[in-house]
Amino acid sequence: GAGVSQTPSNKVTEKGKYVELRCDPISGHTALYWYRQSLGQGPEFLIYFQGTGAADDSGLPNDRFFAVRPEGSVSTLKIQRTERGDSAVYLCASSSDRDGGYTFGSGTRLTVV
Amino acid sequence: KQEVTQIPAALSVPEGENLVLNCSFTDSAIYNLQWFRQDPGKGLTSLLLIQSSQREQTSGRLNASLDKSSGRSTLYIAASQPGDSATYLCAIYSGYALNFGKGTSLLVTP
Repeated sequence: GAGVSQTPSNKVTEKGKYVELRCDPISGHTALYWYRQSLGQGPEFLIYFQGTGAADDSGLPNDRFFAVRPEGSVSTLKIQRTERGDSAVYLCASSSDRDGGYTFGSGTRLTVV
Repeated sequence: KQEVTQIPAALSVPEGENLVLNCSFTDSAIYNLQWFRQDPGKGLTSLLLIQSSQREQTSGRLNASLDKSSGRSTLYIAASQPGDSATYLCAIYSGYALNFGKGTSLLVTP
């Protein structure tokens, strides 16, 4: 596609529920990143995929968070047993290589009530 | 770990003024630096990308500079307009992941 697409754009869920956030990167981009942005803060790194594999998942806050990219294109960020502190905007970005810069999606605003 | 600091945190200027936003980073071993714009409730829009071998990049009324030795970058906005009002984020890529500052919130008043 022309840009990075994230769905849904907004998600409200109850505490304790499971959620999935989807990212569809720019076609051909091998690198895919997930970030989380809280109000008034810059985005914080969560996980990085190079192709199908998670090259670095050191930013995931705990084992309730998991992400996959089974075919090297679309990625899904999964959050189990959601907590109110998980409320944030989750941003996805893709890049063709380390010199090409990053293109971000519009984000998914997650609200846990 | 790369630390990125942006000063000022917020800035308000009248329309037409030229302004400078500052970004500093702690580790000079970078691949590139990217400036983004973020409108309220929206994602990030890339403005300028400076490779580590470059000193500056220009796009329209925007000019970004990079001084790796001092760990600094500046974003210069000429003849500011109300439509420039947004949060501006600086991000460093060091071969690991993008490290962001907290941003500068800019308000340009008519």
